[in-house]
Amino acid sequence: DSGVTQTPKHLITATGQRVTLRCSPRSGDLSVYWYQQSLDQGLQFLIQYYNGEERAKGNILERFSAQQFPDLHSELNLSSLELGDSALYFCASSDSGTTDTQYFGPGTRLTVL
Amino acid sequence: GEDVEQSLFLSVREGDSSVINCTYTDSSSTYLYWYKQEPGAGLQLLTYIFSNMDMKQDQRLTVLLNKKDKHLSLRIADTQTGDSAIYFCAETSNSGAGSYQLTFGKGTKLSVIP
Repeated sequence: DSGVTQTPKHLITATGQRVTLRCSPRSGDLSVYWYQQSLDQGLQFLIQYYNGEERAKGNILERFSAQQFPDLHSELNLSSLELGDSALYFCASSDSGTTDTQYFGPGTRLTVL
Repeated sequence: GEDVEQSLFLSVREGDSSVINCTYTDSSSTYLYWYKQEPGAGLQLLTYIFSNMDMKQDQRLTVLLNKKDKHLSLRIADTQTGDSAIYFCAETSNSGAGSYQLTFGKGTKLSVIP
């Protein structure tokens, strides 16, 4: 158990809908990262937040957004969903210390029908 | 841009050693990581190595780093059926403003034959 929690574990929705994925980092970690894992694209970095502020952006679509709250939990919002958004979404956290080692949550499996 | 390459499949017999190879491109990577993903599960951090090291050993795991060739390997001694999983190599990439993201390979699926 990495200490990173994600909810829900599974999500099934329809095209055009909007969903919110939630992540709680390990106790004491200030950084939260979001990754998407799909069969064709592999694991791709989406976005990072550090202590409530956006720090880095990767291959995140404009339809997707994220935020990190004062209690350091984070939410990833996916809107106008398309079939191709079906994937596993992982959250990771790090203490942003010397190694910045990232610890991953169990993921949320999103299925868009 | 950064790219991490791994072979997609590896099959070994139980009790043998497994060696999973990886090549990376970002010479400025400070740390290189190995993660394990079992079916339906998240990514479990196995080990990491600092870029100024050649080798790191942790119980049955040995990581070798050849910085000149940008080659990383993970050796699992006495491979067990419970080691069957997908293994991801990852390098740190500078996203700017002191932020480092992980760039992953496609993963190597290790199958252990009893």
